[in-house]
Amino acid sequence: QVQLVQSGGEVKKPGASVKVSCQASGYTFSRFYMHWVRQAPGQGLEWMGLINPVGGSTTYTQKFQGRLTMTRDTSTNTVYMELSSLRSEDTAMYYCARDGGSSSTWAFWGQGTLVTVSS
Amino acid sequence: DIQMTQSPSSLSASIGDRVTITCQASQDITNYLNWYQQKPGKAPKLLIYAASNLETGVPSRFSGSGSGTDFTFTISSLQPEDIATYYCQQYHHLYTFGQGTKLEI
Repeated sequence: QVQLVQSGGEVKKPGASVKVSCQASGYTFSRFYMHWVRQAPGQGLEWMGLINPVGGSTTYTQKFQGRLTMTRDTSTNTVYMELSSLRSEDTAMYYCARDGGSSSTWAFWGQGTLVTVSS
Repeated sequence: DIQMTQSPSSLSASIGDRVTITCQASQDITNYLNWYQQKPGKAPKLLIYAASNLETGVPSRFSGSGSGTDFTFTISSLQPEDIATYYCQQYHHLYTFGQGTKLEI
């Protein structure tokens, strides 16, 4: 069965960086894009970007350009999301979600990783 | 960027009620729209894809319709386990979520 397992919660100071991992299993890793979505406390869902496991090409939403880096490791079927220059507004739950291909159905999600930015 | 305007932002209903949520896109997205359910502390769950297709395993009381810029999500008979927040999402150009509709009893 498809599983996406994310790394544990993080507490960071303003200005620092955070790197969250998402390890996939139960399917052919190279076949599907992976997305990252975040949700600030009590707020809605915000798409951050995606990575193509084949070749590692990325697309980021404009809001995070310059601060966001997504990478992948095909030897461990893991994708990473690194956000730099953290500020308090980056405090949120971060989710990875697997794309469904042509219909872009996001049926599989990680459990979420809480990133807290606090001085 | 494509903006998604979802309404209402919150909704109070009774068990057995028919519930309707709307989502309007800022431009034509044909049928490139999904609906998700999110319960507190959990990841979102896909319910409807391509505007009107029921995801496997999702109860038939959930349905979706619409195309172009105007979309509707309906629960035909509200059940206690349906209390959650619902989001629409467009994937015509990149990805955008609606603001969410919190459904309460």
